[in-house]
Amino acid sequence: GQQVMQIPQYQHVQEGEDFTTYCNSSTTLSNIQWYKQRPGGHPVFLIQLVKSGEVKKQKRLTFQFGEAKKNSSLHITATQTTDVGTYFCAGPTGGYQKVTFGIGTKLQVIP
Amino acid sequence: NAGVTQTPKFRVLKTGQSMTLLCAQDMNHEYMYWYRQDPGMGLRLIHYSVGEGTTAKGEVPDGYNVSRLKKQNFLLGLESAAPSQTSVYFCASSSSFSGSGANVLTFGAGSRLTVL
Repeated sequence: GQQVMQIPQYQHVQEGEDFTTYCNSSTTLSNIQWYKQRPGGHPVFLIQLVKSGEVKKQKRLTFQFGEAKKNSSLHITATQTTDVGTYFCAGPTGGYQKVTFGIGTKLQVIP
Repeated sequence: NAGVTQTPKFRVLKTGQSMTLLCAQDMNHEYMYWYRQDPGMGLRLIHYSVGEGTTAKGEVPDGYNVSRLKKQNFLLGLESAAPSQTSVYFCASSSSFSGSGANVLTFGAGSRLTVL
């Protein structure tokens, strides 16, 4: 079936360093979403990308959707301890109601 | 506004016991989902529903049943719990698709289930 793959699975960075997580789908996606889950918490929606080649920014976070709509990335500039958590990408597979998540990237920020 | 509420938050079961997890949303959302989260496995879709009285299988439906008798509630049942079902279960809901993207999911706080 359709899959949403995400790398890396874990990332440790020094505070102030940049961080990037990548998401790839085996098929073209109509859109991609990103979520953040703080330790012990639940996933919280960050952003949705819809258009081919789309780039969106939220303060230090930059989200990109590939031209072929099969890959996406989340880049955090100058990480802070508040960025700690697991970042998930998700996309509709097997029909728009069925939302499949990537495995997530767990970010640790060392002060 | 409570959003998505899951009960119970914690539960310990013995192998073979049955139980039901309840998810309730007050946002009038059409779509509801049950995911399980295990270390190193991400969020895997168990079952979902696109409306009252309808359910569909996700990636890992075996060993679980669901019901959506009321629009605001989505129940996840384990008829005979197994240790492999030890996990954190998340319910989510979203409004009906109306654009070119999938629905944005609002998650509950999660239910931690341990099967001994």
